[in-house]
Amino acid sequence: DSGVTQTPKHLITATGQRVTLRCSPRSGDLSVYWYQQSLDQGLQFLIQYYNGEERAKGNILERFSAQQFPDLHSELNLSSLELGDSALYFCASSVVGRTDTQYFGPGTRLTVL
Amino acid sequence: GQQVMQIPQYQHVQEGEDFTTYCNSSTTLSNIQWYKQRPGGHPVFLIQLVKSGEVKKQKRLTFQFGEAKKNSSLHITATQTTDVGTYFCAASKAAGNKLTFGGGTRVLVKP
Repeated sequence: DSGVTQTPKHLITATGQRVTLRCSPRSGDLSVYWYQQSLDQGLQFLIQYYNGEERAKGNILERFSAQQFPDLHSELNLSSLELGDSALYFCASSVVGRTDTQYFGPGTRLTVL
Repeated sequence: GQQVMQIPQYQHVQEGEDFTTYCNSSTTLSNIQWYKQRPGGHPVFLIQLVKSGEVKKQKRLTFQFGEAKKNSSLHITATQTTDVGTYFCAASKAAGNKLTFGGGTRVLVKP
């Protein structure tokens, strides 16, 4: 158990819908990262937040947005969903900076029908 | 952007044999991290390499950082079925820069 929690574990929805994925980082970690992993693919970095502020952006679509709240939990919002958005979404946390060891949560499996 | 290439993409190994997976970058790296993702699981941190030529061992796993700090390797000896999974390297060009993950090497073990 990494100490990072993600909810929900599974999510099934229809095209055009909007969903919110939630992540709680390890106690004491200030940075949260979001990754997308399509079937048998690598990890695509989406976005990083540090202590409530956006720190780095990766290949995140405009339909996706994220935020980190004062209690350091983070939410990833995915809107106007398409079939191709079906994937595993991982949240990871680290103590401070971008090169720190990242601790991954169990992931949310999103299926768009 | 920074590219981190991992080869091979797939590795079929007979149980008991050794194998090596490689991580390459065209630019000098600040540090390399290795992660393992079991089937159906999430990536788990294995190790971090920082110094040029650094070698670290974890039981049957040997990690090496190249002298020029542009590549790294993971060598597994006497492969076991518990080694099944995808091994990712993650690298950064400079301290404070974002970590870029390689595409991973998916390891399948034949009993």
